[in-house]
Amino acid sequence: GAVVSQHPSRVICKSGTSVKIECRSLDFQATTMFWYRQFPKQSLMLMATSNEGSKATYEQGVEKDKFLINHASLTLSTLTVTSAHPEDSSFYICSAKKTENNEQFFGPGTRLTVL
Amino acid sequence: GDSVTQMEGPVTLSEEAFLTINCTYTATGYPSLFWYVQYPGEGLQLLLKATKADDKGSNKGFEATYRKETTSFHLEKGSVQVSDSAVYFCALSLQAGTALIFGKGTTLSVSS
Repeated sequence: GAVVSQHPSRVICKSGTSVKIECRSLDFQATTMFWYRQFPKQSLMLMATSNEGSKATYEQGVEKDKFLINHASLTLSTLTVTSAHPEDSSFYICSAKKTENNEQFFGPGTRLTVL
Repeated sequence: GDSVTQMEGPVTLSEEAFLTINCTYTATGYPSLFWYVQYPGEGLQLLLKATKADDKGSNKGFEATYRKETTSFHLEKGSVQVSDSAVYFCALSLQAGTALIFGKGTTLSVSS
């Protein structure tokens, strides 16, 4: 149990377009999900905390109007990169927190390439 | 600020060799410490954790001891296998259920 999926696993888009990434907890409910970003040879950096039914909390320096987060159900959070630019190219990873023990389970990540 | 520093990779070992991946941290308060492993094409998986000083986390032959005096949480395994080849991340959490602060990851490659 405790599987988290992400879709798509890879996406290539043109500059100026928007891309939506889904994060799903497949066999448990998650009131809280986290979105991280990883640059090559760098740490995973927290972008935002997504809470079901309320607004996401963004880390300093992360533009909330550019990275739209929606956590509309207990098993799904989405991250939409709006008007993507080449500098948004990165590896985006989500995690879902299991309520009963606070353990986080990670998705396999989404590789975004903006041309 | 709070941070995690782990040794640069890649680490290349022969099967049955001894493994150490160093991890040190800087944090206010008393964090929980974690090691995650990421196999190719998969998500991060919790390998082991320790929640207080002198705790030892262990799993699948891997061990790490929470050393408050040296602010370290080094990962060790006595005899690595080819199947241990993966990227290993050291991380900390300042409070239960909050987001994790990660190190940069260390790639381990084990050859037979």
